[in-house]
Amino acid sequence: DGGITQSPKYLFRKEGQNVTLSCEQNLNHDAMYWYRQDPGQGLRLIYYSQIVNDFQKGDIAEGYSVSREKKESFPLTVTSAQKNPTAFYLCASSRVNEQFFGPGTRLTVL
Amino acid sequence: QQQVKQSPQSLIVQKGGIPIINCAYENTAFDYFPWYQQFPGKGPALLIAIRPDVSEKKEGRFTISFNKSAKQFSLHIMDSQPGDSATYFCAAPNRDDKIIFGKGTRLHILP
Repeated sequence: DGGITQSPKYLFRKEGQNVTLSCEQNLNHDAMYWYRQDPGQGLRLIYYSQIVNDFQKGDIAEGYSVSREKKESFPLTVTSAQKNPTAFYLCASSRVNEQFFGPGTRLTVL
Repeated sequence: QQQVKQSPQSLIVQKGGIPIINCAYENTAFDYFPWYQQFPGKGPALLIAIRPDVSEKKEGRFTISFNKSAKQFSLHIMDSQPGDSATYFCAAPNRDDKIIFGKGTRLHILP
């Protein structure tokens, strides 16, 4: 089955820790994205990548970092500099105008 | 930044009713207008989309109406069911491979 996988589904972090969220796609899409979603809120773009070894900041990149070493993988690191990281994180890839989303990772800071 | 403004923020409709969600956009260069559906705890999924060369598109019980002159488009759900309860996002793709999303509408269909 083609699609996007995110892991883990739930993640708990202690304050001051960095954590990395995984995103893998087998759709052969060039572009990949990370969004943050807070309760009752819309989708806010963190980072996006249009091609391997290149990525751009979105609207809320502070406290986050990404890498794009392989076409199929776009991991997101939530650093200790992100002061309010508890949220639902969504990874997506796109073909032309359509975005395909993964199932999400719910991150909770303890 | 170009925006897509979505309303209402939340909507409650009786089963069988026709919820309507509206979106307005600014950039006349937008040429594709999708709607995404998101169930709690899941990622959004493409529901239906329209291009500006048509005024209406239907897929099953879901219809998009498009008004190019007013720069507005709306989603109608015919014969709504409790299973349609979800958050709906309108969107428009930008030139740089980014998609601009509305803030979402939480729809609840009462049984």
